[in-house]
Amino acid sequence: EVQLVQSGAEVKKPGEFLKISCKASGYSFIYNWIGWVRQLPGKGLEWVAVIYPADSDTRYSPSFQGRVTISLDKSITTAYLQWTSLKASDTAIYYCVRGGEGDYWGQGTLVTVSS
Amino acid sequence: DIQMTQSPSSLSASVGDRVTITCRATQDVSNYLAWFQQKPGNAPKSLIFAASSLQSGVPSKFSGSGSRTNFTLTISSLQPEDFATYYCQQYYSYPPTFGPGTKVDLK
Repeated sequence: EVQLVQSGAEVKKPGEFLKISCKASGYSFIYNWIGWVRQLPGKGLEWVAVIYPADSDTRYSPSFQGRVTISLDKSITTAYLQWTSLKASDTAIYYCVRGGEGDYWGQGTLVTVSS
Repeated sequence: DIQMTQSPSSLSASVGDRVTITCRATQDVSNYLAWFQQKPGNAPKSLIFAASSLQSGVPSKFSGSGSRTNFTLTISSLQPEDFATYYCQQYYSYPPTFGPGTKVDLK
């Protein structure tokens, strides 16, 4: 059974560092794109970034380039999304998603950034 | 970047209605088009991939069609559990991009 299990909700202050995770299981991690989708409160879905574990090919949406970093630990089939300096506007739910066609989704991680 | 549009942005319908949502891409995406359903408080759920292929377990009342730049999602007979927001998404070019969504609510 394919599963994407994300880390828990986070409450952070502006300027702080954050790294959230997504543990994948039940499929060939190396040969499937994996990425992150953002959903602002009450808004639509936006792709943040995707990565192909086999060769670490990484693509960022223009709005997020330079603001976040997607990474992997292939040894534990886990994907990460990190911010070095959070802003209040980063407050959102972040979903981990398998593949471009998005056939499997994680449960979502609520990130709240507030002073 | 490939931009996606959807119409209508919202619609009101009754149980049993046939509902059609349109999605357009600013460039040719071939058939690399997916549809998702999202209910409040839940993660999105994949309905259709490759423009017209139903994901496993998705009821056949959902159907997708189209290619290149024009696509449609049809719900043949709307049921109470189908009231939700629907998104199209292209994955021809990475990273993928979503449409703005269509909210389907009860008339």
